[in-house]
Amino acid sequence: KNEVEQSPQNLTAQEGEFITINCSYSVGISALHWLQQHPGGGIVSLFMLSSGKKKHGRLIATINIQEKHSSLHITASHPRDSAVYICAVASYGKLTFGQGTILTVHP
Amino acid sequence: AAGVIQSPRHLIKEKRETATLKCYPIPRHDTVYWYQQGPGQDPQFLISFYEKMQSDKGSIPDRFSAQQFSDYHSELNMSSLELGDSALYFCASSPATGQGAYEQYFGPGTRLTVT
Repeated sequence: KNEVEQSPQNLTAQEGEFITINCSYSVGISALHWLQQHPGGGIVSLFMLSSGKKKHGRLIATINIQEKHSSLHITASHPRDSAVYICAVASYGKLTFGQGTILTVHP
Repeated sequence: AAGVIQSPRHLIKEKRETATLKCYPIPRHDTVYWYQQGPGQDPQFLISFYEKMQSDKGSIPDRFSAQQFSDYHSELNMSSLELGDSALYFCASSPATGQGAYEQYFGPGTRLTVT
């Protein structure tokens, strides 16, 4: 079993839909990161969480430390949100990555 | 704002050749991480440096070595390249290391193809 599990692995949505991606982890962490990777490979950091909730535009990330679970929400999804979303947990700095969720948003 | 710079962006090498990948962190970031992402795979941690010293080591082959220089840029040296080394190599920088929660800023990656 991987230390970081994401679900779903693939997600297809219509433009405007509310999207949730889940991440569960089994190890102690200092922080959890949500990352976005577009075709071509570049990785962008969306959020870093140690507790609670963060919001940036249409993106919301939450973490429950006791349950070792985090969610990434996208409100009013748009085709430009199509990408791979990766949950990664930090321990002493280095990141352990989940397998990613491939999100496709259709117009 | 300045971002993490990696060079080259693309590199094609033959088996048994050597390759050097470079990473220039964001100014005043003293920690660099290297990750390898094989085709269709999750990124895997290779090695990290803090203040020019190796701070952690992951699944890095013995054929690979890395260092961080006085200007905080880092180089990943890869020798006796194998087909399986073909991957996207990311570096990331952060302002510190250790148990604190510091955001990592990723470079655009170097795509290495070994033929």
